[in-house]
Amino acid sequence: KAGVTQTPRYLIKTRGQQVTLSCSPISGHRSVSWYQQTPGQGLQFLFEYFSETQRNKGNFPGRFSGRQFSNSRSEMNVSTLELGDSALYLCASSRGRDRINTEAFFGQGTRLTVV
Amino acid sequence: AQSVAQPEDQVNVAEGNPLTVKCTYSVSGNPYLFWYVQYPNRGLQFLLKYITGDNLVKGSYGFEAEFNKSQTSFHLKKPSALVSDSALYFCAVRDIASGGGADGLTFGKGTHLIIQP
Repeated sequence: KAGVTQTPRYLIKTRGQQVTLSCSPISGHRSVSWYQQTPGQGLQFLFEYFSETQRNKGNFPGRFSGRQFSNSRSEMNVSTLELGDSALYLCASSRGRDRINTEAFFGQGTRLTVV
Repeated sequence: AQSVAQPEDQVNVAEGNPLTVKCTYSVSGNPYLFWYVQYPNRGLQFLLKYITGDNLVKGSYGFEAEFNKSQTSFHLKKPSALVSDSALYFCAVRDIASGGGADGLTFGKGTHLIIQP
């Protein structure tokens, strides 16, 4: 069974640009969550999607947005990039049927560098 | 709001010795607790979880964790450490009272585990 796939693995962007990251969940998983990992702040929850609907959102500015498609694939977008957006962005999928007790499976992440 | 504390930035253990990575949590309701491991430039790998039931939970690669409600702790343990266990370990919590997902998973800062040959 294929794991969570994130593309691209590495990305370099310039301040002010926008970026779109992609995540394909494990087959059959309907919930996709996004996290930002930085050395200073650690792992922080961005948002969660289930059946194409944003179910939860973390404490990030509106420049961070996402969506989920009918095949459960998800994208996140960051507009007007800032240097502080440089991070490892992790996507996680879970069955979602009862998200409370199901573990999330993570992709390898997209390393975004803003210059 | 839920929170997780991993009091040690780094833990050093000799190969073959038992290891413990500490985790304490704070939630308003009953917690769902998880341990993940991260190798360099990789995503997080699930190790084990506590939902309900036995306080001692067994997971992948010989790891186990002990849930202690009175001390609000969920320490990760392994009887005999391997050099290949060297990695970054994260404890995470999800609060049942919040509906199980209002804040997603809340992670600790992580603990670097270094196993010396």
